[in-house]
Amino acid sequence: GENVEQHPSTLSVQEGDSAVIKCTYSDSASNYFPWYKQELGKRPQLIIDIRSNVGEKKDQRIAVTLNKTAKHFSLHITETQPEDSAVYFCAASPHQAGTALIFGKGTTLSVSS
Amino acid sequence: GAGVSQSPSNKVTEKGKDVELRCDPISGHTALYWYRQSLGQGLEFLIYFQGNSAPDKSGLPSDRFSAERTGGSVSTLTIQRTQQEDSAVYLCASSLDFPTGSSGNTIYFGEGSWLTVV
Repeated sequence: GENVEQHPSTLSVQEGDSAVIKCTYSDSASNYFPWYKQELGKRPQLIIDIRSNVGEKKDQRIAVTLNKTAKHFSLHITETQPEDSAVYFCAASPHQAGTALIFGKGTTLSVSS
Repeated sequence: GAGVSQSPSNKVTEKGKDVELRCDPISGHTALYWYRQSLGQGLEFLIYFQGNSAPDKSGLPSDRFSAERTGGSVSTLTIQRTQQEDSAVYLCASSLDFPTGSSGNTIYFGEGSWLTVV
């Protein structure tokens, strides 16, 4: 089955800096890679996703890149703000029906002002 | 409904007792998932229902855990003879269809049921 590794487990940056979180996956059949943000005490919420037919996707300060050959994908947050502080989870999903999203263990991002 | 609804939001139970956690997915969503999140840990996959297909139970940690989904909508996760290590937040999620390369299959999470076994 799919296995997703996420690094780093914790990340501290100064406001305005960039933050990068990296994930690798094991199942070459995976073709959907979402990123979720979970604020303290809240539910995880989708912030961006990428499908295997594209290499990069941007949404304002957030971007995700995908390298299918190397089986890794990354989340990039530019001009970080204190409200970006949260736990971020990457996930991967194989194409087959009947297969759930498998999540990485999460990255706790702290943005200090 | 407007979102994925879970109940109870908090449950404290004695070790050895059985508990039931309920999930009401977004109306029309055919896929339903249960995940477990222990304190400071990631999202551990438990079980996945997709339409009328047999559920994927590969993530259930032991035979004390079971889940059912009645009428393709509401799901109940049952934990028998609870142990202290079962203490966690149990998150339910739903999506319109299973995750594929097509659009519109975002997974939406509920607020979770916080289970404490004492």
